[in-house]
Amino acid sequence: DGGITQSPKYLFRKEGQNVTLSCEQNLNHDAMYWYRQDPGQGLRLIYYSQIVNDFQKGDIAEGYSVSREKKESFPLTVTSAQKNPTAFYLCASVRQGTAGNSPLHFGNGTRLTVT
Amino acid sequence: GQQVMQIPQYQHVQEGEDFTTYCNSSTTLSNIQWYKQRPGGHPVFLIQLVKSGEVKKQKRLTFQFGEAKKNSSLHITATQTTDVGTYFCAGLGSDATNKLIFGTGTLLAVQP
Repeated sequence: DGGITQSPKYLFRKEGQNVTLSCEQNLNHDAMYWYRQDPGQGLRLIYYSQIVNDFQKGDIAEGYSVSREKKESFPLTVTSAQKNPTAFYLCASVRQGTAGNSPLHFGNGTRLTVT
Repeated sequence: GQQVMQIPQYQHVQEGEDFTTYCNSSTTLSNIQWYKQRPGGHPVFLIQLVKSGEVKKQKRLTFQFGEAKKNSSLHITATQTTDVGTYFCAGLGSDATNKLIFGTGTLLAVQP
């Protein structure tokens, strides 16, 4: 079955530590996205990549970094510079075009708790 | 900047009652998408509306896109417990930024 795999489902870290969230897709989609979800809020775009070795900042990129070395993989690093990192992180991809023109396919998400 | 507001934030209904959530954008949209997120789950795409005044139906769900392409609604007829979850709209701006902005979502609770 094709899909997007995010791991781990739950992640706990101490304040001051960097942490990397994994996102792998076998859908052969070009564009991939990272969103952050907080209670009572809509999804907010962190970073996106439309092609390998290229990525763009979203609306809340500060304190985050990404890489796109392979089409299948789009890991997100939450750095110690992110002031409020505790949240639910969702990775997504689109079959063609961009988010908004095509449906987003989401992974199951990673719930990050930083104490 | 572009904002997408959704109301209500929360709705509790008895099973069999109807439910509607409304989505309003501060700017004209190119299109609008709707997603459903079950508790503890991830958003799942439901539908995309593109044309002004468009109405689409999926079984008990009816989606509308306003004539001015600045608002949209999702109506569920005769809710069932399987309808429980948060419904999000996401609007694609018609300006050069081409940004998809998610609404704040409406959490639907259905009491059997």
